[in-house]
Amino acid sequence: DVKVTQSSRYLVKRTGEKVFLECVQDMDHENMFWYRQDPGLGLRLIYFSYDVKMKEKGDIPEGYSVSREKKERFSLILESASTNQTSMYLCASLNSDRATEAFFGQGTRLTVV
Amino acid sequence: SQQGEEDPQALSIQEGENATMNCSYKTSINNLQWYRQNSGRGLVHLILIRSNEREKHSGRLRVTLDTSKKSSSLLITASRAADTASYFCATDMALGSGNTGKLIFGQGTTLQVKP
Repeated sequence: DVKVTQSSRYLVKRTGEKVFLECVQDMDHENMFWYRQDPGLGLRLIYFSYDVKMKEKGDIPEGYSVSREKKERFSLILESASTNQTSMYLCASLNSDRATEAFFGQGTRLTVV
Repeated sequence: SQQGEEDPQALSIQEGENATMNCSYKTSINNLQWYRQNSGRGLVHLILIRSNEREKHSGRLRVTLDTSKKSSSLLITASRAADTASYFCATDMALGSGNTGKLIFGQGTTLQVKP
């Protein structure tokens, strides 16, 4: 059974803290994604990686960075957490062969206080 | 900017009725996909339609794609209370090499099916 696992289901952090959200997939997928989901705004792409050490900015990369040192792991980093980064964060992976579905983790609900 | 725009944003119907959701997008795509999300959970893939296909069926789901209008629709027939969820379209934007690229989502449609 395929799996995308996010390290935390719920997380509470203080303003200014450096926050790491981890995502691991066991499907040997090339492409991995980080989205944030807010009410009324749907899923917005933060960063996308199509190979180890390769990354591309999504629609809302400001305040975030990512790391992909190994194929199975894609980390989202909030350099200095702010209250407007309180959100649901979703990780996904996808096989880069043409026409395949994405698999999602269960999400991390991050609250910045 | 969001690739997919969905309407309606919310839909409430009675059990047994059909539900139709629409999605419009802006750029060329490899394929278009529909996902479902139950409250507070990750997304689950429902159906994928390639850019050279016009219609696809899977159980009670029917998806159409009109690349000339850059739009798609998802029809759920004979809806059930268990279909209550949020539904998202996602476009797979080609990077030009023949491989799939970015997966961009719309804002979603919240469907409520009343028993």
